[in-house]
Amino acid sequence: GENVEQHPSTLSVQEGDSAVIKCTYSDSASNYFPWYKQELGKRPQLIIDIRSNVGEKKDQRIAVTLNKTAKHFSLHITETQPEDSAVYFCAASMDQAGTALIFGKGTTLSVSS
Amino acid sequence: EPEVTQTPSHQVTQMGQEVILRCVPISNHLYFYWYRQILGQKVEFLVSFYNNEISEKSEIFDDQFSVERPDGSNFTLKIRSTKLEDSAMYFCASSEAGTQYFGPGTRLLVL
Repeated sequence: GENVEQHPSTLSVQEGDSAVIKCTYSDSASNYFPWYKQELGKRPQLIIDIRSNVGEKKDQRIAVTLNKTAKHFSLHITETQPEDSAVYFCAASMDQAGTALIFGKGTTLSVSS
Repeated sequence: EPEVTQTPSHQVTQMGQEVILRCVPISNHLYFYWYRQILGQKVEFLVSFYNNEISEKSEIFDDQFSVERPDGSNFTLKIRSTKLEDSAMYFCASSEAGTQYFGPGTRLLVL
């Protein structure tokens, strides 16, 4: 089955710096890669996703890149702010309703002002 | 913006007792899911459900677990005889297509 590895497990940056979180996946059939942000004690919230027919997607300060050949995808946050502090999870699945999201272990991002 | 809701937010139970966790998916979504997250760990898939049938389940979802859509709005997860290791946050999610939206979770503590 699918396995998702995520690095780093913790990341500390200064406000205004960029943050990059990387994930690799094992199943070449996976074609949908969402990123979720989880604040302490709250639900995972979808922040951006990418499908395998594109290599990059951007939404304001957040971007995701996908390299299907290497089976890795990354989350880029620019101009970080203290409210970006949270746990970020990558996930992989088939882009098909009803299929499981397989999550990475998460990255705890701390943005200090 | 519509959201997935879950009740209760917290549940404490004794080992061996049955618990039912409830979820109200987003109203036009047809696919429903349960995930769990043990404290400090990653989110793990349990089961997905469509058209009154299980679509996919993980090896975590053994005979102690069952899911049901008892009416037009609720989606439930039942754990028949809870174990200490069932203590976790349980998230319901729903989707119209591939994008899944999560509820706020039920924190289950088994003593």
